[in-house]
Amino acid sequence: GEDVEQSLFLSVREGDSSVINCTYTDSSSTYLYWYKQEPGAGLQLLTYIFSNMDMKQDQRLTVLLNKKDKHLSLRIADTQTGDSAIYFCAVVYSSASKIIFGSGTRLSIRP
Amino acid sequence: DAGVTQSPTHLIKTRGQHVTLRCSPISGHKSVSWYQQVLGQGPQFIFQYYEKEERGRGNFPDRFSARQFPNYSSELNVNALLLGDSALYLCASVGGAKNIQYFGAGTRLSVL
Repeated sequence: GEDVEQSLFLSVREGDSSVINCTYTDSSSTYLYWYKQEPGAGLQLLTYIFSNMDMKQDQRLTVLLNKKDKHLSLRIADTQTGDSAIYFCAVVYSSASKIIFGSGTRLSIRP
Repeated sequence: DAGVTQSPTHLIKTRGQHVTLRCSPISGHKSVSWYQQVLGQGPQFIFQYYEKEERGRGNFPDRFSARQFPNYSSELNVNALLLGDSALYLCASVGGAKNIQYFGAGTRLSVL
């Protein structure tokens, strides 16, 4: 079946790097996304990676994909207080034209 | 260039009532997806529509239905509301060469 898992919480010190991890079960994924959700708001697309790529870098964000282990990670460099939010990993399965979301990782920043 | 717009932003209903939520996609996008996000969880896929036809359906009861109009806007209807239907309902506009899903701010439904 299709399942996406994330750890629930992550706490980092301001200025450090944050690494949020995600694992998925079905290997028929096409795209994999990272979304950010702030309190009371909708989902903001941060970045995405195609399943035929290993890495993508976009300013402070680095996405790593290990297809063999079905593992996806998001690294945020120089984490700031504005990065506090819930981060969702999401996997697109072409067979059903739908996205499966993880349960989200709440990132908190320590001063 | 307007993003994804959803209305209303908040809604309070009682058990057994019916609700209609609305979504307008990004100009040029022909596909819309609907998601339910219960507090503390990730969004759950409900429907996807493309060119007014249903392209995918999640594991939701028949009380949930949707449609897409010729201008590509969409409605999500929920009948016989239950307390458990209380959630944030998100609409995603799907388009571009990569079929990226862009989300609206959502409609927060409370069922009392």
